[in-house]
Amino acid sequence: AQKITQTQPGMFVQEKEAVTLDCTYDTSDQSYGLFWYKQPSSGEMIFLIYQGSYDEQNATEGRYSLNFQKARKSANLVISASQLGDSAMYFCAMRPQRGSNYKLTFGKGTLLTVNP
Amino acid sequence: EAQVTQNPRYLITVTGKKLTVTCSQNMNHEYMSWYRQDPGLGLRQIYYSMNVEVTDKGDVPEGYKVSRKEKRNFPLILESPSPNQTSLYFCASSAYRLTGVGLETQYFGPGTRLLVL
Repeated sequence: AQKITQTQPGMFVQEKEAVTLDCTYDTSDQSYGLFWYKQPSSGEMIFLIYQGSYDEQNATEGRYSLNFQKARKSANLVISASQLGDSAMYFCAMRPQRGSNYKLTFGKGTLLTVNP
Repeated sequence: EAQVTQNPRYLITVTGKKLTVTCSQNMNHEYMSWYRQDPGLGLRQIYYSMNVEVTDKGDVPEGYKVSRKEKRNFPLILESPSPNQTSLYFCASSAYRLTGVGLETQYFGPGTRLLVL
């Protein structure tokens, strides 16, 4: 079974500053993928970034980067130069790399508020 | 534009009145899935499909049905809705590889907010 833990129910950051959202995971799978999604107040789930368990380099997508530390089983999301539009709920998720069901296991989420 | 669409976006209904939430994707994805999101419980998988005519239960399938007659469509059917099915529902899709490994991203639809009275 896979488990995702997000220990920060809420985070505050000043506009233009960087913020790190924590995510730790637990799995018995050798191969897996880690994902971050953003859910604004309007409700949709927006894909941000993913990291494969065998990827040697940390993933980056624009202002988003994933700080992957496999030995510590952590996959923190770093948002650089925060913008007001970044205010949203952020979910860390994982799924096995193999198998027939691409089910995503989600954490409980972190509510990020960007202050002007 | 690549996207997953769901209809309706909002629905208020009464207990026992059959309803269908449609889901369609235009990315030629093999894999599709339904999730529900509830406060305190997070997102949970209801059903999934690996391809046309291939469906299977997720973690919370009770009270739901699905079908996959076409690759692009994956409707969610509530034969007799009950108040405990009040939730935010998401359809998602991704490519699926039959061989090797894949980390294809799952793309989500905009969500359907369902209220069952």
